[in-house]
Amino acid sequence: DTAVSQTPKYLVTQMGNDKSIKCEQNLGHDTMYWYKQDSKKFLKIMFSYNNKELIINETVPNRFSPKSPDKAHLNLHINSLELGDSAVYFCASRPLGNRETQYFGPGTRLLVL
Amino acid sequence: AQKITQTQPGMFVQEKEAVTLDCTYDTSDQSYGLFWYKQPSSGEMIFLIYQGSYDEQNATEGRYSLNFQKARKSANLVISASQLGDSAMYFCAMRDVYNQGGKLIFGQGTELSVKP
Repeated sequence: DTAVSQTPKYLVTQMGNDKSIKCEQNLGHDTMYWYKQDSKKFLKIMFSYNNKELIINETVPNRFSPKSPDKAHLNLHINSLELGDSAVYFCASRPLGNRETQYFGPGTRLLVL
Repeated sequence: AQKITQTQPGMFVQEKEAVTLDCTYDTSDQSYGLFWYKQPSSGEMIFLIYQGSYDEQNATEGRYSLNFQKARKSANLVISASQLGDSAMYFCAMRDVYNQGGKLIFGQGTELSVKP
C-alpha cells in the first residue's frame, strides 16, 4: 500500500522532448508538492497545490507545468526538455497540522541526453 | 528569507559511536518547524525527527535526538550508537508554520559514513 507513488521511476529522454511525471497519494492529504534534487543532492521546492489550487510557484521556468486533476494527484509536465533538467523529482504530500512531516514519493530520476 | 546551513559535507563515524550532524538556520519568523530526513543510497526520503520552535524539550526518536539551541539558531541531529545502516545523506529542513504553503527549505546535506 504505497502512500505516495510516482511514475515513471526512471525517465531517459532526448533534449527537446516533452515528458510527464505522475504522482498519486492515497493518504487523503490536501496539500501536495514537487521538489527537484539536483546532481549535488540539493533539494528545492518547485510547486505546491492545496486541494487542486496552486499555492507555490518557486520561479520555475514556464516549461514546467503542474496539473492537479483532483486532490490525490499532482502531475508534472515538462516541455522542451533541457540538459539542466536532469535531476531527481520528488512528489510529496502533507496532512494538516503544523507538526506533520511531508510524505515523499520514491522519486523520478530524469536524464536528458 | 529562510535559510538552512549544513557545514559538514561528509562525516565518518565508527560503528556504535555517537555522531552529531550540524544544522544552523536563519529566519525572522517566530513560529517554525525543523525536520531531519535521511536519504539512503536507494534514494527515498525518510523522516527522522521534528522540533517545533516553541517546544521546550529537545525532540527524541529512538536513537535520534535533536539538540535544539534556539538562541544560537541551531538544530543539530545526534545519532547514538551508530549502525552500518545509518550510512546515508542527512538533510536538515525548516518550515514556516503560518506562511509559504508549508514548503520545506533544505540544507545542503551531510553524507554520513559509518565504519565497521
